[in-house]
Amino acid sequence: GAVVSQHPSWVICKSGTSVKIECRSLDFQATTMFWYRQFPKQSLMLMATSNEGSKATYEQGVEKDKFLINHASLTLSTLTVTSAHPEDSSFYICSARDQGGSQPQHFGDGTRLSIL
Amino acid sequence: GQNIDQPTEMTATEGAIVQINCTYQTSGFNGLFWYQQHAGEAPTFLSYNVLDGLEEKGRFSSFLSRSKGYSYLLLKELQMKDSASYLCAVLDSNYQLIWGAGTKLIIKP
Repeated sequence: GAVVSQHPSWVICKSGTSVKIECRSLDFQATTMFWYRQFPKQSLMLMATSNEGSKATYEQGVEKDKFLINHASLTLSTLTVTSAHPEDSSFYICSARDQGGSQPQHFGDGTRLSIL
Repeated sequence: GQNIDQPTEMTATEGAIVQINCTYQTSGFNGLFWYQQHAGEAPTFLSYNVLDGLEEKGRFSSFLSRSKGYSYLLLKELQMKDSASYLCAVLDSNYQLIWGAGTKLIIKP
């Protein structure tokens, strides 16, 4: 159980393009989903926490107009990187938590984003 | 502030036992997680401790001492596939997950 599906796995696109990443919980309802970014050989960095039906909570230094998050249902959250530039190239990972604050976060496989 | 410390890197031999330590100072405590992350992949959940003591799960065990703000992950009968980063994360009083920087474990034949 507790499977999280993330698509796409790999994106290569030109600078200025907007990229949408989907995160789905397949066999449980995720009240809360999380979006992380990880640069090579660095630790996970939480970007934002997304709660179903409400606005996402962004971590300090993360531009909410740049990284649009929509958590439209209990099984789907999306992250849109708007007008992406080479410095946005990174490994983006979503996770989802079943109802209950002490439940573990289960991660999607991640999306490797390369902006040319 | 909130702080989680774990060694940056450890090396061990195939077939041996290794213990990865994690100490934490957080505002409140609602449990401690260990995750495994292979290079280029997303983390996978290994264990959760909220009460003091040892939790055993196959070759992996996790220990917690809340009074000492300390946990360890014990890996037995090491295999080459265990080469990965191991992340310690604490759930604080607001149920926010505070991540350690991870310990890169290198297994040598």
